[in-house]
Amino acid sequence: QVTLKESGPGMLQPSKTLSLTCSFSGFSLSTSGMVVSWIRQPSGKSLEWLAAIDWDGDKYYNPSLKSRLTVSKDTSNTQVFLKITSVDTADTATYYCARSPEASNSGYPIFDYWGQGVMVTVSS
Amino acid sequence: DIQMTQSPASLSASLEEIVTITCQASQDIGNWLAWYQQKPGKSPQLLIYGATSLADGVPSRFSGSRSGTQYSLKISRLQVEDIGIYYCLQAYSAPLTFGSGTKLEIK
Repeated sequence: QVTLKESGPGMLQPSKTLSLTCSFSGFSLSTSGMVVSWIRQPSGKSLEWLAAIDWDGDKYYNPSLKSRLTVSKDTSNTQVFLKITSVDTADTATYYCARSPEASNSGYPIFDYWGQGVMVTVSS
Repeated sequence: DIQMTQSPASLSASLEEIVTITCQASQDIGNWLAWYQQKPGKSPQLLIYGATSLADGVPSRFSGSRSGTQYSLKISRLQVEDIGIYYCLQAYSAPLTFGSGTKLEIK
């Protein structure tokens, strides 16, 4: 059974660094082709892809936020982390992690499992 | 960045009706297109990937199609449990980009 769960501070002040953790089970990030991504959604708005890390340790970032983002994973391949520096109110959102397994002949089942999301509020 | 223009923004339809939602990509993305359903207070759920492949466990009344750079999600017989917001996603190139969403309601 595949599960993902995000955790984070809930609320933090502007200019601080946001640290998020995605803990997962039912699959390993060491499996060839596996990718875990971070996506966020401000209340009432659409989704924004932020960053991803793959089974080989390669990292991918949204250029619009790249200078502020760092994605990493633990050595046991059961957790992925995201840090966002210098947060401001525009970073207030629900943050999701989601996995994507390797593409098959029928296509790429991107974001086939999602976590429940963690709400983060940036406020002074 | 590749822009995904999704329409309509909202849609009200009757039970058993056929519903179609479209996304227009700003450039060729091949079949690197997915559709998601998000129910209130929940995470998005994958419906369609590879433009036309049905994700595991998704009812067969959902289907996806492609015509050039226009992609469509069709619900063949609308059910009460289909209400929610639907999003398309292009997975052709980074940054991955979502459509603006279509809110589906029952008339």
